[in-house]
Amino acid sequence: NAGVMQNPRHLVRRRGQEARLRCSPMKGHSHVYWYRQLPEEGLKFMVYLQKENIIDESGMPKERFSAEFPKEGPSILRIQQVVRGDSAAYFCASSPKGRGGEAFFGQGTRLTVV
Amino acid sequence: GENVEQHPSTLSVQEGDSAVIKCTYSDSASNYFPWYKQELGKGPQLIIDIRSNVGEKKDQRIAVTLNKTAKHFSLHITETQPEDSAVYFCAASSNNNDMRFGAGTRLTVKP
Repeated sequence: NAGVMQNPRHLVRRRGQEARLRCSPMKGHSHVYWYRQLPEEGLKFMVYLQKENIIDESGMPKERFSAEFPKEGPSILRIQQVVRGDSAAYFCASSPKGRGGEAFFGQGTRLTVV
Repeated sequence: GENVEQHPSTLSVQEGDSAVIKCTYSDSASNYFPWYKQELGKGPQLIIDIRSNVGEKKDQRIAVTLNKTAKHFSLHITETQPEDSAVYFCAASSNNNDMRFGAGTRLTVKP
């Protein structure tokens, strides 16, 4: 999974603040996925983006959560007005092909809401 | 949508023994089945994958088998080593659906 860069690695936010998580895909990859992982649990799909387009956001809560993948720059997962239940590890994966193809993960951002 | 189930949730083996992890999927359109290894504090690492036009694939001590009729696929690790200890995830996806993961198997290899 070398090449998918996520930052920050750790993020602490107070309740009500905004969290911004960044993901730079591997070179040449135009497909990005975001997953959420609670401790001792599996990876839950949140959103799938291609450059400048949201393809599938069915796993993302409709309120407070948003994602983008602009033409230039990293993909951003934004969580507004964070609550304690948002505390989790958020992983980004990039793919050269998208659905039905291989995907490579970053090291994740561990969000703690205090 | 796709539903992936994974068993067992925990697996403990003696060093040198084999380990087998099994997954089932629900969407007959799924055509890509990767396996990931996740070590503590790290992101999932792709270790092997298989496509629906292949029944078995091997890479050194790791092999994956796929039974499309029964909709199940398995990960086989032979000659296990302590460094194989990690959480392993199976996943399934198709050309029309995003990757969905099993709940994970925590493998412990005792020296």
